[in-house]
Amino acid sequence: KQEVTQIPAALSVPEGENLVLNCSFTDSAIYNLQWFRQDPGKGLTSLLLIQSSQREQTSGRLNASLDKSSGRSTLYIAASQPGDSATYLCAVNNNNDMRFGAGTRLTVKP
Amino acid sequence: GAVVSQHPSRVICKSGTSVKIECRSLDFQATTMFWYRQFPKQSLMLMATSNEGSKATYEQGVEKDKFLINHASLTLSTLTVTSAHPEDSSFYICSARDLIRGGEKLFFGSGTQLSVL
Repeated sequence: KQEVTQIPAALSVPEGENLVLNCSFTDSAIYNLQWFRQDPGKGLTSLLLIQSSQREQTSGRLNASLDKSSGRSTLYIAASQPGDSATYLCAVNNNNDMRFGAGTRLTVKP
Repeated sequence: GAVVSQHPSRVICKSGTSVKIECRSLDFQATTMFWYRQFPKQSLMLMATSNEGSKATYEQGVEKDKFLINHASLTLSTLTVTSAHPEDSSFYICSARDLIRGGEKLFFGSGTQLSVL
């Protein structure tokens, strides 16, 4: 059974810092991995999707990497802004069986 | 990207009543939708996979008679929490894939916060 772990559980940084969120998974036979953003009491917004054959995806200030063999993915946020404050979730897809990490709660202080 | 609409966003009900949550794909057809629940500070947990025109597939430990799922059309799936109890209080969220435009990306509704008194 796939297990997804996200570290750290919470992170607080000053505005402007670059930061890295980590996601690890136990079963490397994944189909794809997706990073989401969740604002309090709201739904999820898809940030980046990485297929199993890809190593990274970039969108604006976000860069997600995938190392399938080691069971790791990172989400890099450049030049963080207060508006980036949210919970970030990674989800691993094993043949349409999606497993989510518990998320990293990010606070960016102005 | 594709839009998934979920209603209501918040509902408070008395113990023993039933609550229906709707999930609609607004600009695409979704043969499959997914229902999750999330307890505070915990991860999303898949409850069931809703299939248009057929029975839903429930995850282990999820009572199908408690959480009724109906996917009667290609754009609408409903989750009914029957005889709700305080332990059913949770954040429920649906998702769907737009296989034509979005590929494997999941698009989520805005979620429903259910509070059972």
